[in-house]
Amino acid sequence: AQSVTQLDSQVPVFEEAPVELRCNYSSSVSVYLFWYVQYPNQGLQLLLKYLSGSTLVKGINGFEAEFNKSQTSFHLRKPSVHISDTAEYFCAVIAVGASKIIFGSGTRLSIRP
Amino acid sequence: KAGVTQTPRYLIKTRGQQVTLSCSPISGHRSVSWYQQTPGQGLQFLFEYFSETQRNKGNFPGRFSGRQFSNSRSEMNVSTLELGDSALYLCASSGPGQIETQYFGPGTRLLVL
Repeated sequence: AQSVTQLDSQVPVFEEAPVELRCNYSSSVSVYLFWYVQYPNQGLQLLLKYLSGSTLVKGINGFEAEFNKSQTSFHLRKPSVHISDTAEYFCAVIAVGASKIIFGSGTRLSIRP
Repeated sequence: KAGVTQTPRYLIKTRGQQVTLSCSPISGHRSVSWYQQTPGQGLQFLFEYFSETQRNKGNFPGRFSGRQFSNSRSEMNVSTLELGDSALYLCASSGPGQIETQYFGPGTRLLVL
């Protein structure tokens, strides 16, 4: 079975500051890793994914994440945030070959002007 | 391509009633998954359909059921509604050879009174 832990339920940052949202996972099999973003009253939008290859993955809206197998982490980063990045961010895993996504509990990112 | 669409967007029902939600996947996508999102339990997998067959099922009672039609559109039914069924129900679709990458619709927000 797989599990995902998002260590911070809320992260407040100032506009134009860097941010890191932390994610750790647990799995006995190989997994794919994802970050999704959910804006208020909307569905989930795929930010980026790690399937294989380079451990540094670049996504939309200037976000990137680094897969660290030894630390079983997949932290999300952005060098400079904007007010429009205010949303909830979900880290997720899926076992290779499976179709069931396991989501973390989410991190609410709030941007202060 | 048009994205995943879900109807209706909002729904109010009373306890004991039943409800049917609809999801139209991205054109060419044959896999449709359903998730329930609540503040307390977060995002939880309900079931996945592929080519009109349920391939995977989460840990929900039998009151939750679904089906998929030959055009890949899917419906989810909840019978004998309970207050705890109030949630955002999200549908996601994935394309051939990319089962792991799921694209989400805007969701149907169900309120049970």
